[in-house]
Amino acid sequence: GAGVSQSPSNKVTEKGKDVELRCDPISGHTALYWYRQSLGQGLEFLIYFQGNSAPDKSGLPSDRFSAERTGGSVSTLTIQRTQQEDSAVYLCASSLAQSGGGSEQYFGPGTRLTVT
Amino acid sequence: QKEVEQDPGPLSVPEGAIVSLNCTYSNSAFQYFMWYRQYSRKGPELLMYTYSSGNKEDGRFTAQVDKSSKYISLFIRDSQPSDSATYLCAMSGRSGGSNYKLTFGKGTLLTVNP
Repeated sequence: GAGVSQSPSNKVTEKGKDVELRCDPISGHTALYWYRQSLGQGLEFLIYFQGNSAPDKSGLPSDRFSAERTGGSVSTLTIQRTQQEDSAVYLCASSLAQSGGGSEQYFGPGTRLTVT
Repeated sequence: QKEVEQDPGPLSVPEGAIVSLNCTYSNSAFQYFMWYRQYSRKGPELLMYTYSSGNKEDGRFTAQVDKSSKYISLFIRDSQPSDSATYLCAMSGRSGGSNYKLTFGKGTLLTVNP
């Protein structure tokens, strides 16, 4: 079946501009995650959505970062006033609903963001 | 000390070799352990998922978890050139109640030479 899809695959933007990154999770997966992968830091958790619960935003690095999930499916990660240090690959993952245990998270191909 | 330590390699082996990849961790709350494979410019692909200590085998892959030593391993038997990729360990647990928040190692770059 279809996996997690992300768009765009690549994005080049000028410092100070806003960008929107999109994630479409696996059908039936109610949990959605955003991670960031950068050369120096590896993969870092950003935000988690589960159903209608309040998202866990504890990994967002600054208030320039925000995310929303509409209709329990598609999610958009927005970065305002981009900085060069925001350059990274932004990865989205999804999983089935959790029931107290861990989760098998399946990742999309990522969006490679370059801020010039 | 980082929560998860993983030797970045690079690791180069001949085709058919047994490969051993390892991670150590410091957070005793971790209970769920994963291995991901990531090809260049692709997203991570889930290979193995284990809970608590023990072994799990799937085809040529075996994952081992030793919670007493805070040490996890991935073994690849009869390695193939198509196994050439970066291997990431990841783990989560009830640290602060967030058992969904994966903490990753930085990955080991593996090359299998034909």
